Amino acid sequence: EVVMTQSPATLSVSPGERATLSCRASLRVGRNLAWYQQKPGQAPRLLIYGASTRAAGVPARFSGSGSETEFTLIISSLQSEDFAIYYCQQYDNWPPFTFGQGTKVEMK
Amino acid sequence: EVQLVESGGGLVPPGGSLRLSCAASGFTSTLYWMAWVRQAPGKGLEWVATIKQDGSEKYYLDSVQGRFTISRDNAKNSLYLQMRSLRADDTARYYCASHPYYYGSGNQDWFYDYWGQGTLVTVSS
Repeated sequence: EVVMTQSPATLSVSPGERATLSCRASLRVGRNLAWYQQKPGQAPRLLIYGASTRAAGVPARFSGSGSETEFTLIISSLQSEDFAIYYCQQYDNWPPFTFGQGTKVEMK
Repeated sequence: EVQLVESGGGLVPPGGSLRLSCAASGFTSTLYWMAWVRQAPGKGLEWVATIKQDGSEKYYLDSVQGRFTISRDNAKNSLYLQMRSLRADDTARYYCASHPYYYGSGNQDWFYDYWGQGTLVTVSS
């Protein structure tokens, strides 16, 4: 099983600032990595797949990078609607599909 | 507009059973591999099961193997999760989700593009 580890657990950022979230895989997963955003009381929303491809309708301030075991999600200039929990998911080696434990982006 | 609407959640005692349903609309769900993903209260996301378009392939999380059964009725555009021998650690919101289908190539991918709002399952006496 591929274990996904996200850091930090919580990120305190002011609106307009840049946020950098990390995701590490315990095995190489190529670029088979997705990022999701989840707001309280809502279902997850796909942001990024293939490590760096934005899903339809996702603003350009969200960007993903990385490959194999190290991945990054950057939110270039945080908007109020971006405060949420972000999860990474690997889909290279399954079953099982595995998620990271999440990074909460909160207002500083 | 794509919609996935789950139903069937509720309070069930340990050892009990429950059947979840997911009604799909707004897309040709019969072309898509479908999945159940759960989220325990205050916790992260956990994949539970995935099923092929025609139901011929099914995959499960180890901890639910033998207790849960994923199925689908393409004529009704519906996905199901039959849960038996429920335990307290099965308590979670259960989401129905679709794996993307690429119309050009006929291939699929293994992240989740559409999600329902989930149905809450509570296992407690």
